Parts: sequence; C-alpha cells; structure tokens
Amino acid sequence: EAQVTQNPRYLITVTGKKLTVTCSQNMNHEYMSWYRQDPGLGLRQIYYSMNVEVTDKGDVPEGYKVSRKEKRNFPLILESPSPNQTSLYFCASSLGYRAKKLFFGSGTQLSVL
Amino acid sequence: GQQLNQSPQSMFIQEGEDVSMNCTSSSIFNTWLWYKQDPGEGPVLLIALYKAGELTSNGRLTAQFGITRKDSFLNISASIPSDVGIYFCAGQADTPLVFGKGTRLSVIA
Repeated sequence: EAQVTQNPRYLITVTGKKLTVTCSQNMNHEYMSWYRQDPGLGLRQIYYSMNVEVTDKGDVPEGYKVSRKEKRNFPLILESPSPNQTSLYFCASSLGYRAKKLFFGSGTQLSVL
Repeated sequence: GQQLNQSPQSMFIQEGEDVSMNCTSSSIFNTWLWYKQDPGEGPVLLIALYKAGELTSNGRLTAQFGITRKDSFLNISASIPSDVGIYFCAGQADTPLVFGKGTRLSVIA
C-alpha cells in the first residue's frame, strides 16, 4: 500500500531534549516536505526536499533541522525543543516539486513541556 | 511568503444542507487544490484544478478555478455527517504549495 509513515504518532518531551521524528515513503517520490499545524494558523511548511541531499527552508524553519540521505526517508530533527514547538506535525511527499498531489502522513502530535 | 485567505473559518450546518467555502489570493496561481482532513488524520486530496475557469466534480463536491486565477471555490451538496473535518485550499505557482488556514465543518444530524 502506497503510504507516508511517520513515527511516533504521539510524543511528550521536555525542553532541550533532542528528538527526531521519522518519515518514510514507499512511492519513490522525489519531493518530501514537513509541515506543522497549529489552531487558526493552518499548515505551515517547515522544510522541504526536492531530492536526495537537496533541502530548503520553508516558511517556519527556525529550531528545526532535516536531512535527506536516502530518497525514502526525511527525518525532522529538533536539536533543543522548546514549548513553542508543541504542535501537530505532518510529513508529505509527491512525485516531484511540481507534482500536485501531495500524500500526507497521519501526523505526529508533539508536546514540549 | 504568499498567503491564502480562506473563508469561512468554521461552519455549523444541518445534515442535508449545501456548503460553500472559498479561497482568495493576492497572487496568481497555476493550480488550485482542495484537501480534507478527517479528525486525527493527515489531509487527503479531494479535487485538483489546473486551468482558469475549470469546474470539477468529485461526487457531491464541486470546485472551481476562478477566472482571475486568484481564487477558488468548493461546494458540497447535501451534506452528511462524514463530511465533518477541516477543508484546506492550496495554491501553487512557482513555489511550493501554499495552504489556506482551513475551514472547519461541523454537521449537525
């Protein structure tokens, strides 16, 4: 089954403790992206990647890192999480940068205490 | 970055009623998309529009790509309880997809 898999689904952590949210897609997609969703603010793009070893900042990249060492994986790293990074995070992928159909993962609800 | 204005922010409707929502932008887009997010899930693509003036249906859903290329509309006819969720518009020109802030739809049986 074609899908985007994120882990974990829920995560509670404390300020400053490094964490990684994993994202994997099995559709051989070139384009992958991370979004955060906050009430009243919709989906805001954090980082995106157009291919292996190519990443770019989205609208809200501060406090986040990403890497794209393999085509299928696009982890999101929070080196020193802060409470304002408490949010619902989505990974998404598509065939290419200009491909219109974005496939989303089921989300990761992160709480930073 | 670019911004989309999506309205209304939320709607409470009776089962069986029709629903309309829209998105406007100050920029021209080449593509308009409409997504639905069910509670606890990621957004799923409902309809994609690629040409100005295009009108496309998906079951009870109909969406239009505005003539000016700066707006799009989504209509849902004869709403049912499973229509509950958040509906997002998204537009694309030469940059990654830009999303609206969503319309939260509640259907009262």
